[in-house]
Amino acid sequence: GENVEQHPSTLSVQEGDSAVIKCTYSDSASNYFPWYKQELGKRPQLIIDIRSNVGEKKDQRIAVTLNKTAKHFSLHITETQPEDSAVYFCAASEGNRLAFGKGNQVVVIP
Amino acid sequence: DVKVTQSSRYLVKRTGEKVFLECVQDMDHENMFWYRQDPGLGLRLIYFSYDVKMKEKGDIPEGYSVSREKKERFSLILESASTNQTSMYLCASSFGEGNTIYFGEGSWLTVV
Repeated sequence: GENVEQHPSTLSVQEGDSAVIKCTYSDSASNYFPWYKQELGKRPQLIIDIRSNVGEKKDQRIAVTLNKTAKHFSLHITETQPEDSAVYFCAASEGNRLAFGKGNQVVVIP
Repeated sequence: DVKVTQSSRYLVKRTGEKVFLECVQDMDHENMFWYRQDPGLGLRLIYFSYDVKMKEKGDIPEGYSVSREKKERFSLILESASTNQTSMYLCASSFGEGNTIYFGEGSWLTVV
């Protein structure tokens, strides 16, 4: 089955700096790659996603890039703000289901 | 807006009790999922269902069973709760293959 790995496990950034989280996946047949944000005590919520026919997608301060050859995709957050502090999960499609990475704790230091 | 509702947010059960966690979605999604979330272990899939009365084991099905008698409802059953099943349980749903999964608010279960 699909195996998704996420690095680094914890990331601390100064407010206003950029944050990058990288994920790798194992199954070249995967074609959908979402990113979820989970704030403390809340449910994971989709923040951005990308499909395999696209190399990059942007939504205001967040962007996702996909390298199918290398089987990795990354989340980029620019001009980080305190409300960006959360756990971020990447995932890759595996038929009807998603395989999730273990999550990345992002801490934005004011 | 997609709504995935988990009926119980916080439960405390005794070891050996039978526990039911209920989940309802209102978007006519074919797929429904039960995940378990523990610190440092991410989101681990227990069971999922792609249609009424259909189910497939996920990565950690031991000690759990599921029921899907209606399309909108997916239940997770702990036949005999144990302390190592203390965790946060997340229900989710999605439409078809390769599409967004929507999560419920989560159910915090403590087994004492």
